[in-house]
Amino acid sequence: QKEVEQDPGPLSVPEGAIVSLNCTYSNSAFQYFMWYRQYSRKGPELLMYTYSSGNKEDGRFTAQVDKSSKYISLFIRDSQPSDSATYLCAMSNYGGSQGNLIFGKGTKLSVKP
Amino acid sequence: EAGVTQFPSHSVIEKGQTVTLRCDPISGHDNLYWYRRVMGKEIKFLLHFVKESKQDESGMPNNRFLAERTGGTYSTLKVQPAELEDSGVYFCASSPKKQTAGNTEAFFGQGTRLTVV
Repeated sequence: QKEVEQDPGPLSVPEGAIVSLNCTYSNSAFQYFMWYRQYSRKGPELLMYTYSSGNKEDGRFTAQVDKSSKYISLFIRDSQPSDSATYLCAMSNYGGSQGNLIFGKGTKLSVKP
Repeated sequence: EAGVTQFPSHSVIEKGQTVTLRCDPISGHDNLYWYRRVMGKEIKFLLHFVKESKQDESGMPNNRFLAERTGGTYSTLKVQPAELEDSGVYFCASSPKKQTAGNTEAFFGQGTRLTVV
């Protein structure tokens, strides 16, 4: 069983839709949960970061962590064509600095105008 | 402020040759990481430097890979001799020294796309 499972998609939605992206994981030691966005031919950029369980909101983006279910989600409200990218979940059990990150495969999202 | 810079952006080499990838982290960042994404797979951790010291090299695939960070500034990752399965995108990331409890964001470079033929 992989440590982090993420549906690679692709996922195509119309502009304005609510997007739900998810990852499951098996290692209960993970405490830090990240979502990265990666545009084509670019490196991943940190979008959202959550420590332990709970929700975090930043503009149109909401990250949720449910440690009891080992399940994390990223919601994008009012999606825009500029949100078209690959979204990667990543996790770590290191305190503070992002050391050994465990990534999901990434979900390719396309938002159609 | 310049971000993490990687050279070259793309490299095509023949099996058995040597290739050296370079990463220039953000100035002042003590932590430097190398990751690799093989086609169809997830991004995987290779190793972590704190300044010039290797903190964790548990992800290095084998002894054909050698990473250095002399002087604690830029880092190189050498593959010698390269094999077909080494093809992929190699990412470098850097983050500042952890000051207090909480997250220190890792900033990624654009990656080096290595193709071994």
